[in-house]
Amino acid sequence: DVKVTQSSRYLVKRTGEKVFLECVQDMDHENMFWYRQDPGLGLRLIYFSYDVKMKEKGDIPEGYSVSREKKERFSLILESASTNQTSMYLCASMLAGGPGEDIQYFGAGTRLSVL
Amino acid sequence: AQTVTQSQPEMSVQEAETVTLSCTYDTSESDYYLFWYKQPPSRQMILVIRQEAYKQQNATENRFSVNFQKAAKSFSLKISDSQLGDAAMYFCAYRSMNRDDKIIFGKGTRLHILP
Repeated sequence: DVKVTQSSRYLVKRTGEKVFLECVQDMDHENMFWYRQDPGLGLRLIYFSYDVKMKEKGDIPEGYSVSREKKERFSLILESASTNQTSMYLCASMLAGGPGEDIQYFGAGTRLSVL
Repeated sequence: AQTVTQSQPEMSVQEAETVTLSCTYDTSESDYYLFWYKQPPSRQMILVIRQEAYKQQNATENRFSVNFQKAAKSFSLKISDSQLGDAAMYFCAYRSMNRDDKIIFGKGTRLHILP
């Protein structure tokens, strides 16, 4: 089974702090994603990556950056956390983009509170 | 741009009954993929069912089946013999056949199972 592990389930940070959310997958998947989940808004894509050192902006990249130095790890960085970044963050990985390879596997999520 | 609409934010169904969750989408493409994902409370999101648009046969997975109406751009999920474990947030999702394209999620439907 594919395992996608997010480093923290719950995180509390203060406004202005630099925050790192880590995600690791164990199935050699090429693609990795970071989503933000808010009530009534569903999942919104922040950033995604097709390969090591590659990154693409999603729908709401403002205030975030990412890093993918190794294939299995995809980090989301909040350079200066703000209260409007309080949310549930979901990481996902996907083998590739071809037919049958496009199932996304999700981590358990990190609930971030910015005070 | 493609959009996915789930018009029912919440639904309830009696245990052992059948329930149908609605999903419509908008696209100008002729070939694409559709998904239903399930997010149980405090647990990881998982794939329920996947449909390839060029296949006319509706996908089924045990008690879960879809009603795919391509002309109407409708992709509803039917859950038969509902069980308490089916209580979750359900997300409908769309992906084009371009392997570099991201998945687009609807806003979700929260399903309650009444004992």
